[in-house]
Amino acid sequence: EIVLTQSPATLSVSPGERATLSCRASQTVFTYLNWYQQKPGQAPRVLIYDTSSRATGTPARFSGSGSETDFTLSISNLEPEDFAVYYCQQGSNWPPTFGQGTKLEI
Amino acid sequence: QVQLQESGPGLVKPSETLSLTCTVSGGSISPYYWSWIRQPPGKGLEWIGYIYSSGSTNYNPSLKSRVTMSVDTSKNRFSLKVNSVTAADTAVYFCARSPRGYGDYQYWGQGTLVTVYS
Repeated sequence: EIVLTQSPATLSVSPGERATLSCRASQTVFTYLNWYQQKPGQAPRVLIYDTSSRATGTPARFSGSGSETDFTLSISNLEPEDFAVYYCQQGSNWPPTFGQGTKLEI
Repeated sequence: QVQLQESGPGLVKPSETLSLTCTVSGGSISPYYWSWIRQPPGKGLEWIGYIYSSGSTNYNPSLKSRVTMSVDTSKNRFSLKVNSVTAADTAVYFCARSPRGYGDYQYWGQGTLVTVYS
């Protein structure tokens, strides 16, 4: 199974700043890489699918990039509601797998 | 708006069977993939498996021998059974919808906590 490694585990930033989250795959996932945001007590919510496509309702300050094994989620001009845990997920190989998450904190 | 709602017992005894149902409203079961994903307390996400609206299934090999999924299109719902549970099966269980087998998961239920206790 493909292992996704997210870094850093925790990222401390301030509102208004830019955050860059990384996800590395143990083998190529082509562009089948998705990003989710999860807040405490809630289900995850898809932000980005297929590396760089914003899901419905995802603000433009969220952007995704990368290919094959290295992927990045960038969040510009951080808003207070952006502080959450972010997971990457690959949809290339069976079984689908998730990274361990990056906690974005103030 | 599509909504998913998990239901089922919150407590299960070791060695017994965990049974959950996900009811879909605001949309049809067809033609989508319906997955179960779980999250142990304070930990990450694990894909359990999916069932397509036609009834075909695909399970995570780590759980394959213990998992069964079914779908009832007439009632717009699908179900999960995990047998021989242990404390390691304690988790929040989510149901989710995707347009293809391995993600992206566009709609999620709120999740239901299942605790395995003795």
